[in-house]
Order: sequence, then C-alpha cells, then structure tokens
Amino acid sequence: GAVVSQHPSRVICKSGTSVKIECRSLDFQATTMFWYRQFPKKSLMLMATSNEGSKATYEQGVEKDKFLINHASLTLSTLTVTSAHPEDSSFYICSAKGGKDTEAFFGQGTRLTVV
Amino acid sequence: AQTVTQSQPEMSVQEAETVTLSCTYDTSESDYYLFWYKQPPSRQMILVIRQEAYKQQNATENRFSVNFQKAAKSFSLKISDSQLGDAAMYFCAYFGNEKLTFGTGTRLTIIP
Repeated sequence: GAVVSQHPSRVICKSGTSVKIECRSLDFQATTMFWYRQFPKKSLMLMATSNEGSKATYEQGVEKDKFLINHASLTLSTLTVTSAHPEDSSFYICSAKGGKDTEAFFGQGTRLTVV
Repeated sequence: AQTVTQSQPEMSVQEAETVTLSCTYDTSESDYYLFWYKQPPSRQMILVIRQEAYKQQNATENRFSVNFQKAAKSFSLKISDSQLGDAAMYFCAYFGNEKLTFGTGTRLTIIP
C-alpha cells in the first residue's frame, strides 16, 4: 500500500508553546488528508478534513484557531497545536487519500505531551 | 451525521478458533464504503478489509471475511483460524460524503 509518513513520532513541549506535526504522502498525491485525535484506549476522533489548496473543514467542537491545519501541497499537510496546554496531550494521527480512491493510508501517529 | 457503533469493547478467542466482531452504522446515504482497521500496540492503523456498499457479495481477505447486511446497516468481521498476531484493537469505519468515521473499537485478545 501507499506510504504516509508522520513526524515527529513523539514530542514534549512546554505549556504555552506551539507544536507542528507534519504528514507526508511519500508515493502518491494526497488530495484529501484527515487529522484524528486518539485518547488512551479510545477511538479515533476526526478533528478536521483538508483538501489540497483549500481551507480545512473542522468537526464540531474542534477549535480551528487552536488546531491550525495547512494542506498547501499534494504531499504535505501540517497540524499546528497553538498555545498548547496539558489537556492537548494526546495521540494525533493523520491519514491521506488520493483523488477518487476510497482507501485512506495512515501515518504512524504523534504522541504529544504538554508539560 | 453518520455514526458507527461497536457494541463489544473486548473480545477473546482461543487460538485457531473463529471470532466475530460486530459493527452497526447509521447513514442516510446509499453510496459509501465500510472498512475494518486493526491497530496493534504500535498504534499503526492497518487496513484489514473493505466493502463497497453497492456490492452485495461479502468481501473476503484470506482468514478475514465480512457479513455485510445493508438493510440492517450491519458490518461484522469474522476472523477464522485466529492467530496470536491477530491480537489488537479493531475499528470499524465508514467512509461517505468525503469523511472517514470510526467506531469505538473492540480489543481482541487471543488465548494461546
């Protein structure tokens, strides 16, 4: 299957700082990327959907000013957690799909810890 | 909005036996796709099997098969000849209207 690379895999940051997570499709053009948040032993909660060159569509309850998503190219999307707080600590996963494909490919996830 | 429900938080099965994981979903759309994903301790999401809603035939991938009942909006996963490597969280997922939505997951334990 296609490869999606997510970086970093782990990050620890101080409260009040911003953190950027990258999601890259290595061997296909990702027209759509999804960002999820997963709490321990819980499901993946969709945060937002982004299409290349367009503004992201955020799910209800997700603060768009706090979780900035950029999908400027067909191979890269970024999620920036701004002014991070301990409650933002979580596992974040991206997935990407191309064109009319229905299968989404997942990154390895990023464990964010805010101290 | 579409919702996906997995009513079994945990399941266990003896090695080499068969186990079925349940999933139901709610949608008003007629064209959509359904998936089962596996998430091992590494937390990397792995696609197990997928089903197109317009296909009546149930999908099969080696030891994995589904029972897709469109009218009942049910999509169960059967794992035959269970192996130790099958131990993981299993998520049912619905793709429609350009959105991929996950169920709450079932933790599968394989008993040696």
